[in-house]
Amino acid sequence: TQTVSQSDAHVTVFEGDSVELRCNYSYGGSIYLSWYIQHHGRGLQFLLKYYSGNPVVQGVNGFKAEFSKSDSSFHLRKASVHWSDSAVYFCAVSAPGGNNKLTFGQGTVLSVIP
Amino acid sequence: EAAVTQSPRNKVTVTGGNVTLSCRQTNSHNYMYWYRQDTGHGLRLIHYSYGAGNLQIGDVPDGYKATRTTQEDFFLLLELASPSQTSLYFCASSDAGTGEDTQYFGPGTRLLVL
Repeated sequence: TQTVSQSDAHVTVFEGDSVELRCNYSYGGSIYLSWYIQHHGRGLQFLLKYYSGNPVVQGVNGFKAEFSKSDSSFHLRKASVHWSDSAVYFCAVSAPGGNNKLTFGQGTVLSVIP
Repeated sequence: EAAVTQSPRNKVTVTGGNVTLSCRQTNSHNYMYWYRQDTGHGLRLIHYSYGAGNLQIGDVPDGYKATRTTQEDFFLLLELASPSQTSLYFCASSDAGTGEDTQYFGPGTRLLVL
């Protein structure tokens, strides 16, 4: 059984700052990792995914994430945030051949102060 | 981009009431999912399906039934609603195949059980 942990419930930064949202997972085998964003009052939207190969994955709107097997992590980063990046961010894991079932972390609320 | 719609968007019922939440996706995805979202818990999988007539048990299935009538339509049934089922419900769909686990979410249904 895979689990995923997002250690920060809330992160607050100023517009133009860089940000890192942390995600750690536990699973004994191969794993897929992804990030989703949820703006207020909306459904979740896919941001990016690590499947294999290059551990640094580029997503939309300047987001990127880096997979680390040694640290069991998949942290999301952005170099310069905009106020519109304020949202809840979810990390998710799934197992290959696992009927596409995702396990989500509890989410991190990102607040960007203009 | 996949289109997933949900109805109703808001629903109020009383304890013991009968509720059906509807979900439709128009991209011919094989998999469909029902989640509930509660503060402090992230998204939790209730039921999912990989095709018409199929139903798989998720992580928090108690008190819920589901039915996949067609490739497009997936319903969540609460036959004896309880206040603990007050929540925000999301439907999602995804394609089949290795690495194709990106899920596309509907806008959500907010359910209040009095």
